[in-house]
Amino acid sequence: DAKTTQPPSMDCAEGRAANLPCNHSTISGNEYVYWYRQIHSQGPQYIIHGLKNNETNEMASLIITEDRKSSTLILPHATLRDTAVYYCIVPWAAGNKLTFGGGTRVLVKP
Amino acid sequence: DTGVSQDPRHKITKRGQNVTFRCDPISEHNRLYWYRQTLGQGPEFLTYFQNEAQLEKSRLLSDRFSAERPKGSFSTLEIQRTEQGDSAMYLCASSHRDRGYEQYFGPGTRLTVT
Repeated sequence: DAKTTQPPSMDCAEGRAANLPCNHSTISGNEYVYWYRQIHSQGPQYIIHGLKNNETNEMASLIITEDRKSSTLILPHATLRDTAVYYCIVPWAAGNKLTFGGGTRVLVKP
Repeated sequence: DTGVSQDPRHKITKRGQNVTFRCDPISEHNRLYWYRQTLGQGPEFLTYFQNEAQLEKSRLLSDRFSAERPKGSFSTLEIQRTEQGDSAMYLCASSHRDRGYEQYFGPGTRLTVT
């Protein structure tokens, strides 16, 4: 998998936007960027994915830079329930296995 | 709830015993994955099935581990002669073949080997 780099932790104020960065400078042209999160004591949860265009769904927005070497996951109005570890993944292997790195531990504070 | 379910949620066993976990995927998903997660780490891939065929196994899956998906629906993961190092959360996920990286995870089975 293309290597991704994320900050180990970040805090966010409840109600504010949370911007989670991810670097994937070795990404190739046909590799997608996927984001998952894992709330404490739960299984990971798929959030969103994209190739080169910005994407938005009911959970988050994904902004990918034009050179595709980095991306930002945006939680528009963070709530306490968004406290979790967020994983940025660039998978490529056949079989669709996901390789989880260290992720970013996000703490949403009241 | 039509999500991925796993049973049991917790299992405590003594070293040397065999354990078996079950995973029921989302019904229309033909791919099923097993991952293992130890404390403070991200999940690690163990194996995956497409329908009933086991297509890939990680080197983490020692000879004591075996997984089956006999009818392409539910899957079982068996660990024989458990060791303390097997203590972990065992996660199951499923996906549609055409959206393989969009995986839906179950709540996991937490195994404690004493």
